[in-house]
Parts: sequence; structure tokens; C-alpha cells
Amino acid sequence: NAGVMQNPRHLVRRRGQEARLRCSPMKGHSHVYWYRQLPEEGLKFMVYLQKENIIDESGMPKERFSAEFPKEGPSILRIQQVVRGDSAAYFCASSPRRGDQPQHFGDGTRLSIL
Amino acid sequence: GESVGLHLPTLSVQEGDNSIINCAYSNSASDYFIWYKQESGKGPQFIIDIRSNMDKRQGQRVTVLLNKTVKHLSLQIAATQPGDSAVYFCAETPDQTGANNLFFGTGTRLTVIP
Repeated sequence: NAGVMQNPRHLVRRRGQEARLRCSPMKGHSHVYWYRQLPEEGLKFMVYLQKENIIDESGMPKERFSAEFPKEGPSILRIQQVVRGDSAAYFCASSPRRGDQPQHFGDGTRLSIL
Repeated sequence: GESVGLHLPTLSVQEGDNSIINCAYSNSASDYFIWYKQESGKGPQFIIDIRSNMDKRQGQRVTVLLNKTVKHLSLQIAATQPGDSAVYFCAETPDQTGANNLFFGTGTRLTVIP
């Protein structure tokens, strides 16, 4: 199964710690998108990356959040000094080329902040 | 900014009946629309999509209708089954701007009554 893989599926952190969320896109896909979903809400776009490049980070908070998609390995969404409001489900989607739809989603990482 | 919204947050239907889920959007420049199904604990799963140069598209048991005049989108599910119970999201993207991120609505929870 070459679907979008996210890990961990569940992550618990205490306030002030760092959270690292990983996303491996579908085979052959070089474009990755990160979304955040609060309970009972739709997904909100955060950042769009291509290998080694951030294309659009207009949806990502300016502080504490960063994303990368290195030449080798998964895309990483990093949240520093987590706060309770960061508790959410974080989803990754991928596509083979810029502008290609539909985006294919992983099953997300549920982040809980104690 | 763009916004995508749904008229009804919940919908209950009898097994075997047809379901209609509605969605309104506000960005007249939106070029591409997509419906996703999200089951509990999982990521959004692609159902069907449509571009703005079409007004209807059919899949297996599903039909998407697009009315650009009133900026309205609907998903019709024929002969609804218990396995169709999930939250359904419409999403859109204005392809002509070069943006690739999807803008999601809040979602409609569909419950199928056996």
C-alpha cells in the first residue's frame, strides 16, 4: 500500500515541549500539504512544500511552527514550545505535481497537549 | 478571503434512501471543487470532484452538481448504506491563481439509520 503515511498516529506532549510530525507522501509524489483540523471543524491549510522548498506557508503561524521536506526522507512539521491550543489533528496530503488534484490524505497525527 | 460553508451540520437518512448534502461557496473565482468523506479517526477520503466548466458529474452511486450562478455545490448519494455514515466535506481551490491548497467547509455529519 503506497498511500500517504503519517507518524506517529497519536502524540502527547506537555506544554513547552516540542512536537515533530512526520509525513511520507505517496510514491512518486513530490508535493506535500499540511492541514490542521480542530474537533468538529473542517481542515485548515497550513503549508505547501515541494522537495527542499516551501511554496506557500500562508496558513502557518509565524511563531513556533516550521515545516521542511528534505531531499531524502519524510516531510516534518515541527511545533516548538507547544501550548494547549495546538491540540488538534494534523493531516498531510500529497500530489505528484503542482496543481494536480485530488490531493491524497494520510490518516493524520492526533496531537494532545497536557 | 475564500469561504466555503455548509447549510446543514447533520443529516440523518434511512438506509436505502437518497442523501443530498449541500455546500455554498463565496469565491466566484473558484475553479475546482471536491468532496471528501471522513470517517472517525481517519483522514479525508476522495469521493468525487468537478471543475467549473461542468455542472454535473457522476460516479458510482454519487453525483456532484455545481451551480455557479448561485455558488452552490451538492453531493447526492444514491441508495445510502450504513457504510456511508461519516462527515462529508466540500472543498475548493482557485486554480487560476496558482494556489494549490484546498479550502474546506465545516462538514456535514451523515448518519444512516438501518
